[in-house]
Order: sequence, then structure tokens, then C-alpha cells
Amino acid sequence: AQSVAQPEDQVNVAEGNPLTVKCTYSVSGNPYLFWYVQYPNRGLQFLLKYITGDNLVKGSYGFEAEFNKSQTSFHLKKPSALVSDSALYFCAVRRSGSSNTGKLIFGQGTTLQVKP
Amino acid sequence: EAGVVQSPRYKIIEKKQPVAFWCNPISGHNTLYWYLQNLGQGPELLIRYENEEAVDDSQLPKDRFSAERLKGVDSTLKIQPAELGDSAVYLCASSTRQGGSTGELFFGEGSRLTVL
Repeated sequence: AQSVAQPEDQVNVAEGNPLTVKCTYSVSGNPYLFWYVQYPNRGLQFLLKYITGDNLVKGSYGFEAEFNKSQTSFHLKKPSALVSDSALYFCAVRRSGSSNTGKLIFGQGTTLQVKP
Repeated sequence: EAGVVQSPRYKIIEKKQPVAFWCNPISGHNTLYWYLQNLGQGPELLIRYENEEAVDDSQLPKDRFSAERLKGVDSTLKIQPAELGDSAVYLCASSTRQGGSTGELFFGEGSRLTVL
């Protein structure tokens, strides 16, 4: 069965410091991995994805994520956090294959709080 | 470009009453999804449409939930009768066929249901 774990309910960082939001996954076959962000009273927004290729993927708003196959992880990172990055972040996975189109399995979410 | 539009944003009903949610996807997006988001959890797929055809409804509780996308554009999700455990946020998302393959979904702001 596919699953995603986000071990931290909340991550607190000071503005200007680097941030990491952790994600581990379990899926048979090749994983497609994603990060989405949800700002208060807004819909989820796509941030970035890993399908294949370079293990370090770059996305919107200066975020990046590193795919680590041996550790089955896909941690979200940013070198310098902004207060405006404060939001709820979701990691998601799906199995490759056309039958799984759009069938994302989401983690429970991690609240990022960036303090000035 | 207009995003995914959902209505109503909030709905409060008594148990056993019916309720319906409406979604208008992004123009040109053939694929439409309904996701359920319980408090403190990530979204879970209920149903996926390719144009007017429901191609994945395996997670939709068919005893009380129904959905339709008659003309391949707007969609309606109905619950009849509602139960206390149905209190959640119902998210609609859309994508192009390619976007669905690569996990790039566009989400609406959601419809928050409270069942009393």
C-alpha cells in the first residue's frame, strides 16, 4: 500500500534561517513525489514534483526538495525562510502508471511557522 | 485565468439532510477530481472524471454519496443523507490530462461542511 509520513506536525524557524520540512514515503515501483502548500482559507497550490532525473528539484517561491531513494525521503527545503512562507505543507506520492493519474496520496501535513 | 471555483464555501446542516457542492474547473481542463479533507489530515481522493466519465470512483461511499459531471465541465457532489462524520472540507481540483499524469492539480478553496 502507498503511504506518506510527515513526522512533524509543526516546524518553527526564524526568518532568514534555512528550513526543512520532512517527508518519507512508501510505494511499490517508481514513485512520483510532490509538495503542495495551503495558505489559510486558500486551496492547495502545487509547489514542485519529482518524476525522474536529478534528485534535487526546484519549485515555486524558492523551494526545493531532495529525492533520496535509499532513505525513501523527499524533504522540502529553502535556504532562507520568509514570514510569508508560513502555511500548511503537504507531501504527496503516487505510483507511476496511467491508471494512477491524479490519485495522489497525501501526508497529514506540516504547519510551517516562520517568526520575524 | 480564473481558478477552480467551488460553492458554497461553507454549509451547516442537520444530520439526515441532503447537501450538494458545485465545482467549476479551469477552462480546458478535462480532468476533474473531488477530494475529501478531514480535519488534521491530508486530502483523500473520492472520484476522478475524465470529461464526463467517472474513471475512478473506488473511494466514493456510494450508499450516500453521488457525483455527476453531465456536460464534462461543471460537477456536483451530493450527500444524502448527511451524517455527523461527513463534517469535513470537500475539495475540487482540475488538471489537463498531462497535468494529471504528473500530479499538477489545481485545487479550489474547498467547501466546508458542518453536520450538526
